[in-house]
Formats: sequence, structure tokens, C-alpha cells
Amino acid sequence: EDQVTQSPEALRLQEGESSSLNCSYTVSGLRGLFWYRQDPGKGPEFLFTLYSAGEEKEKERLKATLTKKESFLHITAPKPEDSATYLCAVPIYNQGGKLIFGQGTELSVKP
Amino acid sequence: DTGVSQNPRHKITKRGQNVTFRCDPISEHNRLYWYRQTLGQGPEFLTYFQNEAQLEKSRLLSDRFSAERPKGSFSTLEIQRTEQGDSAMYLCASSRDGSNYGYTFGSGTRLTVV
Repeated sequence: EDQVTQSPEALRLQEGESSSLNCSYTVSGLRGLFWYRQDPGKGPEFLFTLYSAGEEKEKERLKATLTKKESFLHITAPKPEDSATYLCAVPIYNQGGKLIFGQGTELSVKP
Repeated sequence: DTGVSQNPRHKITKRGQNVTFRCDPISEHNRLYWYRQTLGQGPEFLTYFQNEAQLEKSRLLSDRFSAERPKGSFSTLEIQRTEQGDSAMYLCASSRDGSNYGYTFGSGTRLTVV
């Protein structure tokens, strides 16, 4: 069964304290992995797409990496405005490309 | 391009009433998805349209739920005889075939059944 699991469920950091979020997946024939940011009361906002093991993408203080079994979202020197829930998702292309999401990691960055 | 638009943003309804939500996707996107999200969970897939054809429905989508996408443009999601367990955020997303840029989500409709 296709499954996506994220850890930790919640992460509290001090401003400037770098850390990583994990997304592990079991899907047949991975064809991409997406990272989203979601603010309270809003829809998910697209961050990155990763396609193959070893690939890395960066945006400001965020860097996403992919291996054959998991993906990491590294946050370097976070700021309070990085506080949000971070979701990873995998598209299932033989089912219309629907996304299977993890449960998310709620990140809180304190000044 | 104004993104994916969902209306209403919030809906409070009494148990047993019917509700309908609307989603206007990005105009050039031919795929449209509905998801449901409860507190502390990731979005769960409900149903998917390619143009006007509804191609897949989740087991989560009971007979009380129906979705349409007339003419492959906007979509509606109707819930009949609402139950308290239907309380959730209902999200709509759209994409192009084979999109490499993720799926664009709307801001969602928050449903509260009292």
C-alpha cells in the first residue's frame, strides 16, 4: 500500500537553530515527491518537486533532498516567519496523479 | 492568473442539511482534485476530474457526496444530509497533465456541522 509518513509531528526551534524534517515513503515506482507549506486556515503552498535520488532543491532557508526511501527538508537558521506546517506528498500516476500526503510536521520558530 | 478560488471560505450548517462548495481552477489546468483535511492531518484524496470526466473516487466518498465539473471548468462538491463527522476543511487543487510544478491548491472551505 502506498504510504507517506512524516516525522516529527511537531518541532519547536529557537530562531537561528537549524534542523531537519523527515518524510519517508513506500510507493511503487516513485515519480516525484512534493513539499508544501501550509499556514493555518489556508491551503498548501507548493515549495519543491524532487524526482530522483540525490536531487536537491533550495529556496531561501529551505533545502529539500531525496533518497530512495525518504526526503528531508533542511531548515537553516530559521526565522519566526518560517513557522507553518510542512507537508510532503507523492503523486500516484496510475491513479490520475492523485497526491498521497503525510500527516505533516508543525514547525514553530520562537524569536 | 488568479490561482484556484474556492467559495465559500466558511460554512456552518446544521446536521442533516445539504451543502455545496464551488471550486474555480486555474483556467488552463485540465485536472481538478478535491481533498478533505481534518485538524492535525494531511489532506486526504476524495475525487479527481480530467476535464469534465470524473475518473476516480475515494472510498472515503460516501453516497452522500457528489461532485461535478460541467464543461471541464469549475467544479462543485455537494454533501447531502451532513453529519458532524463531515466537519473538515475541503480543499480543491488543479494541475496540468504531467505537471512538474506540483498542484495548485485553493484556500479551502471550512465546514462546521453543528
